[in-house]
Amino acid sequence: EIVLTQSPGTLSLSPGERATLSCRASQSVSSNYLAWYQQKPGQAPRLLIYGASSRASGIPDRFSGSGSGTDFTLTISRLEPEDFAVYYCQQYAGSPLGFGGGTKVEIK
Amino acid sequence: QVQLQESGPGLVKPSDTLSLTCAVSGYSISSNDWWGWVRQPPGKGLEWIGYIYYSGSTYYNPSLQSRVTMSVDTSKNQFSLKLSSVTAVDAAVYYCARKSDGYHPFDSWGQGTLVTVSS
Repeated sequence: EIVLTQSPGTLSLSPGERATLSCRASQSVSSNYLAWYQQKPGQAPRLLIYGASSRASGIPDRFSGSGSGTDFTLTISRLEPEDFAVYYCQQYAGSPLGFGGGTKVEIK
Repeated sequence: QVQLQESGPGLVKPSDTLSLTCAVSGYSISSNDWWGWVRQPPGKGLEWIGYIYYSGSTYYNPSLQSRVTMSVDTSKNQFSLKLSSVTAVDAAVYYCARKSDGYHPFDSWGQGTLVTVSS
């Protein structure tokens, strides 16, 4: 089973700043089958990134994903007010599918 | 555009079976996709429960496999989840979701339904 560890747990930033979120896997994620989701309070998760670096349909280009193997990063280049939320990584390379514990991006 | 909507009892007694249904609209459940369930205890992270293909093939999370049953009703364009012998730890928001066949993440989600476990 692949365990995903996200860091930091909370990121306190101001609008316009750059956010860098980390997701580390306990073993290599084959073919970089790694996704990122955004979740706002009371809402379902929303797919942002798949295949470690491909943006999902309709996702603004300020969101970017990178990494391979066991280390992955989600970068938000300039935070907009609507970007303050919780972000989860997920591996879909094998069963059981697994999610990281989440990173909360909050307004400083 | 596919839309998913969960329904079912919001309150389940301990040791009973939790039963939820996800209605799919704007899209055929018999397409080349898998239909899944993910849950989220209040204030906590996401946990994959399993998914099902329209043919009835299933994959379940090993941690829940002994208690989970999923089914699909193509005539009603919906799929269902049953989780037996529930306890307080099964209290969560339950989401249904869709993923394409093959190695793909969930790209469409229902709004979620809160299930409380209490006598």
